[in-house]
Amino acid sequence: AQTVTQSQPEMSVQEAETVTLSCTYDTSENNYYLFWYKQPPSRQMILVIRQEAYKQQNATENRFSVNFQKAAKSFSLKISDSQLGDTAMYFCAFMKHGSQGAQKLVFGQGTRLTINP
Amino acid sequence: NAGVTQTPKFRILKIGQSMTLQCTQDMNHNYMYWYRQDPGMGLKLIYYSVGAGITDKGEVPNGYNVSRSTTEDFPLRLELAAPSQTSVYFCASGKLATSYEQYFGPGTRLTVT
Repeated sequence: AQTVTQSQPEMSVQEAETVTLSCTYDTSENNYYLFWYKQPPSRQMILVIRQEAYKQQNATENRFSVNFQKAAKSFSLKISDSQLGDTAMYFCAFMKHGSQGAQKLVFGQGTRLTINP
Repeated sequence: NAGVTQTPKFRILKIGQSMTLQCTQDMNHNYMYWYRQDPGMGLKLIYYSVGAGITDKGEVPNGYNVSRSTTEDFPLRLELAAPSQTSVYFCASGKLATSYEQYFGPGTRLTVT
């Protein structure tokens, strides 16, 4: 069974600093997707970034980038020039194939990130 | 384009009561999902649907039922509510196509006492 592990329950950095959130996963599949979702206090789940396992190039979205190490099954998120609005829970998620083409997400436990002014 | 909407936003149930959580999407997505999020945890999949009339169990289906009579709606039914079902419930939808992204509703906070 696929599992996703986030080993940092909480992190805290100063505004404008760079922070890296860790995620490891376990799977026997070769083709899959990995995601980072942000959940601010509003509870809304917001997609931050996505990585296709068949792509060697790490995904980037503005200040957000990932370090995808397929052999090590590691998928960390780097936030550069952190802003107060980045304060949220961050969830790493693995997408696995379900029946009839459904794509099911398996989530990690989350990392609570606080950006201090 | 409202995306994924869920009602109600909050609900308190007594043990043994039943209720239906509503979910509607207006993006013509084939795939719809129900997740629950317990305090301090990630989301876990309850049920999912690949299209009207087709549903299947996720990781934690016990105590719940679903139906999918239209593309837009995917209600989640709780029968005989128990304190263990106290959670935040998220509905999501997705289009298989190319992005594999799931779009989430705002969630329903349910308390069973």
